[in-house]
Amino acid sequence: EPEVTQTPSHQVTQMGQEVILRCVPISNHLYFYWYRQILGQKVEFLVSFYNNEISEKSEIFDDQFSVERPDGSNFTLKIRSTKLEDSAMYFCASSGKVNTEAFFGQGTRLTVV
Amino acid sequence: GESVGLHLPTLSVQEGDNSIINCAYSNSASDYFIWYKQESGKGPQFIIDIRSNMDKRQGQRVTVLLNKTVKHLSLQIAATQPGDSAVYFCAETGNTDKLIFGTGTRLQVFP
Repeated sequence: EPEVTQTPSHQVTQMGQEVILRCVPISNHLYFYWYRQILGQKVEFLVSFYNNEISEKSEIFDDQFSVERPDGSNFTLKIRSTKLEDSAMYFCASSGKVNTEAFFGQGTRLTVV
Repeated sequence: GESVGLHLPTLSVQEGDNSIINCAYSNSASDYFIWYKQESGKGPQFIIDIRSNMDKRQGQRVTVLLNKTVKHLSLQIAATQPGDSAVYFCAETGNTDKLIFGTGTRLQVFP
């Protein structure tokens, strides 16, 4: 069964450092997303990406965040200068059509120290 | 130390009983709804979805009911099993494709 894969599973970084979270969406999907979940809280939308550009972003997704699809398979989330409050699980998701089931990866646990 | 987060409502059921998890959604323009299951340390896993032109949809052991009048969604799990223990989230989409998640309900199944 096709799945969304994310690496690394856990990333520890020092405050102020840049991190790149990587995702390989399902191969024939066209819509890509990043969500985050602070421990014990609900899943929050960060950004959606379609046709090589951001289609929507939330207030959380400020200038410190960026996304990229550098090749035909990877989808990355970069945080330029991490803050303590960026510590969370980051989930990548993809879907084949708009307003259809989104498949989620297992997540990257980001810990900023 | 323990982090502060939202207090999740918890539903405790006995193995074999039916479970009903409820969700109130916010946007009357939402037209697509999904129930996700999240086990500890894992990503949300799709369970079942429903569009706004339907009131009910059934899957294997699961049923989703949609009441658009009161903006309410429910997930019914028949013959609940220990493997059903998880946090369950409803999610909605409206005129955009982003998912808006609810706060979640923890389902605990005891023997």
